Amino acid sequence: SQKIEQNSEALNIQEGKTATLTCNYTNYSPAYLQWYRQDPGRGPVFLLLIRENEKEKRKERLKVTFDTTLKQSLFHITASQPADSATYLCAPYNQGGKLIFGQGTELSVKP
Amino acid sequence: GAGVSQTPSNKVTEKGKYVELRCDPISGHTALYWYRQSLGQGPEFLIYFQGTGAADDSGLPNDRFFAVRPEGSVSTLKIQRTERGDSAVYLCASSTGTHLTGELFFGEGSRLTVL
Repeated sequence: SQKIEQNSEALNIQEGKTATLTCNYTNYSPAYLQWYRQDPGRGPVFLLLIRENEKEKRKERLKVTFDTTLKQSLFHITASQPADSATYLCAPYNQGGKLIFGQGTELSVKP
Repeated sequence: GAGVSQTPSNKVTEKGKYVELRCDPISGHTALYWYRQSLGQGPEFLIYFQGTGAADDSGLPNDRFFAVRPEGSVSTLKIQRTERGDSAVYLCASSTGTHLTGELFFGEGSRLTVL
């Protein structure tokens, strides 16, 4: 069956460092993959989309990579700030229209 | 305009009761999604509408769950004979329906507690 795995343990880093979050998927061939941010008590908010023919995508301090051979996406936040503390969700998109989410990784950036 | 609106924001009910959760998507968005999220988990797909029709309802856990979108805009998720295990945050999202961007816009969710 299709499976999405994100770092289950919370990631704690120091302000100014780069945070790297991992998303692995199996039994999938996604045409694209999305990353979302979710704050406690709020709905997820879209951050970035990367397509299968793109190796890397950047937006301000965010960078996403997509390796279709390894079936993995990495999500980087450079020069992290306490305001980046949240849960980050990956969502590979398969044909058919529905978006399936991973369980999310909680990031905590300490000042 | 306004974002995705979900009502009620909180609903407490007793086991065995019937519940309706409403979602008002962004105007003009043809695709609408329902997800369920438990504490510490990612959103779990329930059902996806393209216009008025359910394009994929494979995530509905059983026949107690039903969703409608009669005019292609507002959607209602209906849960019959609620059970304690139905307690969760129910999220609604909408999108333009094109697969070029695929970005989903989420509401703040309806928190359902079944006592």
